[in-house]
Amino acid sequence: SQQGEEDPQALSIQEGENATMNCSYKTSINNLQWYRQNSGRGLVHLILIRSNEREKHSGRLRVTLDTSKKSSSLLITASRAADTASYFCATGTSGAGSYQLTFGKGTKLSVIP
Amino acid sequence: KAGVTQTPRYLIKTRGQQVTLSCSPISGHRSVSWYQQTPGQGLQFLFEYFSETQRNKGNFPGRFSGRQFSNSRSEMNVSTLELGDSALYLCASSLYTAPGQETQYFGPGTRLLVL
Repeated sequence: SQQGEEDPQALSIQEGENATMNCSYKTSINNLQWYRQNSGRGLVHLILIRSNEREKHSGRLRVTLDTSKKSSSLLITASRAADTASYFCATGTSGAGSYQLTFGKGTKLSVIP
Repeated sequence: KAGVTQTPRYLIKTRGQQVTLSCSPISGHRSVSWYQQTPGQGLQFLFEYFSETQRNKGNFPGRFSGRQFSNSRSEMNVSTLELGDSALYLCASSLYTAPGQETQYFGPGTRLLVL
């Protein structure tokens, strides 16, 4: 079952613009991770934010987490054509000694040169 | 370090057959998770293995099974294939033994087509 739901489902922007993707989830989490996937290939880990963190940066990426609203956002600044990909949020939950990621359906980002 | 590798990369099977997919995690990683990705259902968790033990399992029928070997390499098996099993199967490995090591590193996937 899907835990995270990304919004929008698709986003098209011009190179150099900023791209913002949102993720909402339903249950308590340990952390939230964002991944990128190019054309049906494997997923590339972008950033992890813990449930007690509110904001995190990595290069041109900025992630925020609002646990009271059960939502997160990923901002890509100064986008490049190479950023064209699908972006997934994944909520991490642990229990009984195990850890599980539950993915949303993703946002398809197209960056037009 | 070498990344997560999966073999084969592409596979075509017919309904009723069985298939075995292989995953070699990053050296030192003991946790291996498997996911199924389809256009309709998205990415869904299949199961997770740690030190040869299945620690967690998703909501999939018993036709889907897996195992992990002492060197942390993992295999998943799907028996009696159905058309709906056509998907990209992704393997991910992580150090995870405790909070702070949760990042999962994904392989390129095995694309399975069932005819």
